[in-house]
Amino acid sequence: DIQMTQSPSSVSASVGDRVTITCRASQGISSWLAWYQQKPGKAPKLLIYAASSLQSGVPSRFSGSGSGTDFTLTISSLQPEDFATYYCLQTNSFPLTFGGGTKVEIK
Amino acid sequence: EVQLVESGGGLVQPGGSLRLSCAASGFTYSTYWMSWVRQPPGKGLEWVANIKQDGSEKYYVDSVKGRFTISRDNAENSLFLQMNSLRPDDTAVYYCARGKDVRYWGQGTLVTVSS
Repeated sequence: DIQMTQSPSSVSASVGDRVTITCRASQGISSWLAWYQQKPGKAPKLLIYAASSLQSGVPSRFSGSGSGTDFTLTISSLQPEDFATYYCLQTNSFPLTFGGGTKVEIK
Repeated sequence: EVQLVESGGGLVQPGGSLRLSCAASGFTYSTYWMSWVRQPPGKGLEWVANIKQDGSEKYYVDSVKGRFTISRDNAENSLFLQMNSLRPDDTAVYYCARGKDVRYWGQGTLVTVSS
């Protein structure tokens, strides 16, 4: 099984800050990686698919990069509505596996 | 608009069974893989199972193999998860999702396994 190691587990940031979250796969997954945002009590929402493709309707301040084993989600200028938990998911092979999550909190 | 609506959750005793359903609309259901993902209270996401468009391939996380069965009815645009031999650690919100890439999600249904 492919393990996804996500870091950091939490980050405190201010509105306007640049935030970077990383996911590392235990083996190569090409670009089969997605990023999700989840707010309390809500279903996750897809932000990025295929490592770097922005889902329709998602603000351009979100971007994804990487391939192989190392991936990054960047929020270029944090907005109040971006405080949430973020997860990566590898879809290269079954079983699909999520990272442990990163909670973005208000500083 | 893609819509996925789960139902069938509730309180069940350890060792019991439950069948979850997911009603899909707003897309050509029969052309997509479908997924179940769960989230225990206060914890992270865990993929549970996937089923191919025609039901010919099914995949499960190890912790549910032999206990859970994923199925679909393409005529009714519906997805199912039959859960048997339920354990307290199966307690979670269960989400139905579209695609192998888990692109669209339902709002979830809560399953609580407790005596």
